[in-house]
Amino acid sequence: GIQVEQSPPDLILQEGANSTLRCNFSDSVNNLQWFHQNPWGQLINLFYIPSGTKQNGRLSATTVATERYSLLYISSSQTTDSGVYFCAGRNYGGSQGNLIFGKGTKLSVKP
Amino acid sequence: GAGVSQSPRYKVAKRGQDVALRCDPISGHVSLFWYQQALGQGPEFLTYFQNEAQLDKSGLPSDRFFAERPEGSVSTLKIQRTQQEDSAVYLCASSLERFGQPQHFGDGTRLSIL
Repeated sequence: GIQVEQSPPDLILQEGANSTLRCNFSDSVNNLQWFHQNPWGQLINLFYIPSGTKQNGRLSATTVATERYSLLYISSSQTTDSGVYFCAGRNYGGSQGNLIFGKGTKLSVKP
Repeated sequence: GAGVSQSPRYKVAKRGQDVALRCDPISGHVSLFWYQQALGQGPEFLTYFQNEAQLDKSGLPSDRFFAERPEGSVSTLKIQRTQQEDSAVYLCASSLERFGQPQHFGDGTRLSIL
């Protein structure tokens, strides 16, 4: 199966700073999604982004499917952005529909 | 409902007991997935349903794990003779279709085996 590598594993920011999180895939993927897992454990959909660029408020994401990576941009970070960010994708062309997750980036935003 | 609903939110059981975890997907969603998330890790796939049919159970860690979705809506994940290594968060997700649609996750059930 595909391998999903996320970087950096840990990130500490001062409130107001910007950041970029990266996700690399070992093979082509479909159904790429970004999630935020908050300190209460809830896994929240951020983006469904198999390719291209999307923006939602202070967050945006870009997927370059041909080069097998995706980026999540967080601008003007807030303390409520703290938590773990996961990317996940489905093996392109495979018969399985399940998502394969990376190990996540743990983000801490300090006031 | 508006989102995927899971119950109970927390479950504590003694080693050897059986547990049942419930998932109520988004209305009309054909596909339903169960994932297991160990502490500090990303979720890992357990099993998949398309309507009432269990099409993939390759991720179930042992024959003590059993899942069903008899009417193609609510699903139950059952763990028999629980072991300490079963302690984890169990997440349920649903999507409109198997491919080409985002998966929406419930809040999970945090299972602790004493």
